[in-house]
Amino acid sequence: EMQLVESGGAVVQPGGSLRLSCVASGFTFEDYTMHWVRQGPGKGLEWVSLIRWDDGSTYYADPVKGRFTISRDNSKNSLYLQMNSLRTEDTALYYCVRGVGAYTWFDPWGQGTLVTVSS
Amino acid sequence: DIQMTQSPSSLSASVGDRVTITCRASQNIASYLNWYQQKPGKAPNLLIYAASTLQSGVPSRFSGGGSGTDFTLTISSLQPEDFATYYCQQSYTTPLTFGGGTKVEIK
Repeated sequence: EMQLVESGGAVVQPGGSLRLSCVASGFTFEDYTMHWVRQGPGKGLEWVSLIRWDDGSTYYADPVKGRFTISRDNSKNSLYLQMNSLRTEDTALYYCVRGVGAYTWFDPWGQGTLVTVSS
Repeated sequence: DIQMTQSPSSLSASVGDRVTITCRASQNIASYLNWYQQKPGKAPNLLIYAASTLQSGVPSRFSGGGSGTDFTLTISSLQPEDFATYYCQQSYTTPLTFGGGTKVEIK
């Protein structure tokens, strides 16, 4: 069974930093592009970032560009999101997701880890 | 960025009803369109990918259609377990973007 398990969410003050982790199992992690998607409280889904499986290239949504860094460690089947200069608008449930296929659909999703940015 | 507009934002329907949700892209995205279902307190779940391909294990009452800029998700006969929020997502180009969601409620 494919599974993604996130961790690292916490309450942090504005301007602070946090590192999220995601451990994958049940599939060959190194063969897939991985993404972070977030969902603010009572809000819709927002794509955050991706890291490609082949060349490790990364892409970011404009609201997080320059503040967040996505990375992966294929030897540990793990995905990371380093979040710096956090803002109150970054408060959300952060999902780790696998990107699949030429049409890049998301499956599976983790259960999410909650980041709350508040003073 | 490609904007994805879903309509309606919410709807009320009865068990057995046929329900159609539409998703419009701000530019041509061919068939790079996926649909997800999200129930309260749960992560989203993939329903349809590449506009019209049903994900394995998803009931056949769900179907997707369209290409270019206009897409639909149809539930042929609404079941109690289908009351949820539905999102479309384009994968034509980064940034990948989602529609605002359609909440399907019980009438």
